[in-house]
Amino acid sequence: NAGVTQTPKFRVLKTGQSMTLLCAQDMNHEYMYWYRQDPGMGLRLIHYSVGEGTTAKGEVPDGYNVSRLKKQNFLLGLESAAPSQTSVYFCASTLQQGAGDTGELFFGEGSRLTVL
Amino acid sequence: LAKTTQPISMDSYEGQEVNITCSHNNIATNDYITWYQQFPSQGPRFIIQGYKTKVTNEVASLFIPADRKSSTLSLPRVSLSDTAVYYCLVGDPLYSSASKIIFGSGTRLSIRP
Repeated sequence: NAGVTQTPKFRVLKTGQSMTLLCAQDMNHEYMYWYRQDPGMGLRLIHYSVGEGTTAKGEVPDGYNVSRLKKQNFLLGLESAAPSQTSVYFCASTLQQGAGDTGELFFGEGSRLTVL
Repeated sequence: LAKTTQPISMDSYEGQEVNITCSHNNIATNDYITWYQQFPSQGPRFIIQGYKTKVTNEVASLFIPADRKSSTLSLPRVSLSDTAVYYCLVGDPLYSSASKIIFGSGTRLSIRP
């Protein structure tokens, strides 16, 4: 059981390049999230999805796009990378809550992105 | 949405008990208090969750007073491996919209030998 897997783990981009981060979960979770974490800071929510085919904006969505074509995958795209997007990106997922559920978030190991 | 306030950092020594307090004055009736732990270069992981009074598991205890406006995460006999950032979150687990899952800056706990 792999849990939440992010690829790639490291990437260096030049300003203006595009790329996609992939998040895959094998726990049949409905909800998926993308966060970014800058050095010494907490996590900030970029986008999230409450189910296949749905996405929504979080706290800091500008410059990013997402897609959830399959329930197990949540893609984060940067169309034109900027140095301000240098960060560590974390994906997380959780179940559709029911009584007694803690709503525990399961995180991936992170993807470190550097934009030069 | 209940905002939380935690100390930015704390220091302690191996073998000591560490208590990290989180303030959440605007907590709603259906909200639970959840704590996450984050090691360097890793994603956060769930530690404990509670609604009122006291909750204990193999990792920590969570104390919540009757007014629920604050909570205290207690780590017994810490070791160097407990050095991490600890986040306090408040929200309703039955309503998992991401608008309820906001991480603050957390408390950076440093354990010394």
